Amino acid sequence: DGGITQSPKYLFRKEGQNVTLSCEQNLNHDAMYWYRQDPGQGLRLIYYSQIVNDFQKGDIAEGYSVSREKKESFPLTVTSAQKNPTAFYLCASSIEPARSYEQYFGPGTRLTVT
Amino acid sequence: GENVEQHPSTLSVQEGDSAVIKCTYSDSASNYFPWYKQELGKRPQLIIDIRSNVGEKKDQRIAVTLNKTAKHFSLHITETQPEDSAVYFCAAILSGSARQLTFGSGTQLTVLP
Repeated sequence: DGGITQSPKYLFRKEGQNVTLSCEQNLNHDAMYWYRQDPGQGLRLIYYSQIVNDFQKGDIAEGYSVSREKKESFPLTVTSAQKNPTAFYLCASSIEPARSYEQYFGPGTRLTVT
Repeated sequence: GENVEQHPSTLSVQEGDSAVIKCTYSDSASNYFPWYKQELGKRPQLIIDIRSNVGEKKDQRIAVTLNKTAKHFSLHITETQPEDSAVYFCAAILSGSARQLTFGSGTQLTVLP
């Protein structure tokens, strides 16, 4: 299971607060991804990054922000603008997409906002 | 828009029986189709994938078939065991997605002892 880690496992926040979820990988992967998982809706792509200092919006980027200052790290900030932030958040990584599409997932962070 | 549809959303089978999960996709240019398994409380893990130049791929009790003409692909699990109980997600690379995976909505498979 090692290689890609997320912390914390559970996170509780009050409405109106920004919160940052951590994702770290030591697989030397070029690409990293953030997904949101809701019951019955599969995995929806929030943001992805194929190289350091570059990232792209996914299907549901509104209310989220990311940074990619280091190859190993891709933190996700859930801002107060996200209307329904309570969800399970999964980070993933892959080697350069031209070589392989396989994604390796972290254990996830369950965020609850009240 | 481009998407991946997965059916059924829930599936119960008796231990030892086969299970089949089907996904359809809208983009005829899609060329990569993975299946991920997510056990309760754990991370999704790739169990098998297929590329568009192949019609079928097997790995022990698991197989994936691809029908490019009909734009659907299926996961087949034979001789099911209780440890096969999990949520299964299909995915595809869609042409409008900058080569990112688009996931189906998932199938909760329950293998009854």
